[in-house]
Amino acid sequence: AQSVTQLDSHVSVSEGTPVLLRCNYSSSYSPSLFWYVQHPNKGLQLLLKYTSAATLVKGINGFEAEFKKSETSFHLTKPSAHMSDAAEYFCVVSAVGGATNKLIFGTGTLLAVQP
Amino acid sequence: DGGITQSPKYLFRKEGQNVTLSCEQNLNHDAMYWYRQDPGQGLRLIYYSQIVNDFQKGDIAEGYSVSREKKESFPLTVTSAQKNPTAFYLCASSLSGGNQPQHFGDGTRLSIL
Repeated sequence: AQSVTQLDSHVSVSEGTPVLLRCNYSSSYSPSLFWYVQHPNKGLQLLLKYTSAATLVKGINGFEAEFKKSETSFHLTKPSAHMSDAAEYFCVVSAVGGATNKLIFGTGTLLAVQP
Repeated sequence: DGGITQSPKYLFRKEGQNVTLSCEQNLNHDAMYWYRQDPGQGLRLIYYSQIVNDFQKGDIAEGYSVSREKKESFPLTVTSAQKNPTAFYLCASSLSGGNQPQHFGDGTRLSIL
């Protein structure tokens, strides 16, 4: 079965410093992985997706993630945090099984950005 | 602009009452989904539909019902059998097939009076 583990429930950084949000996955197959962002009382917005092409995936708003099969990791990074990056971030893996498109969500990492 | 519209944004339910949450999309997506979000638990799948007139139970379907009579619409009814309905409900849609990203509405927050 597929699963994702977000290693930190809360991360706090200062504006202008790097961001690292950690995610490990478990999958018997080559997985499809996603990062989503959620601002308060809003829906989820897709940041980026990995679907077995390049292992370094660039997303919106300066975020990127690297797929590392040997470490079963898909960590999200950004070189310089902005106040508007404060939100909750979800690491997601696509469940395998026929034509269905079920996603399995991590429990989220709340990112705080200090001025 | 294409997107997903959920209404209402806030909803209150009395004990023993059924309530229906609306979800409409104009993305021409075949697949639609309902999730429940509770603090610290991520998103949990309630129901999903891959095509009109067909839907499947997710991981926490008890106390909920859905219909899919039109491609654009996937309403969720929270019945009186759902004993803990207070949560944030999110609707999503996607293209058919595996590994597709899902697009989300802005959610409905349901509370008990």
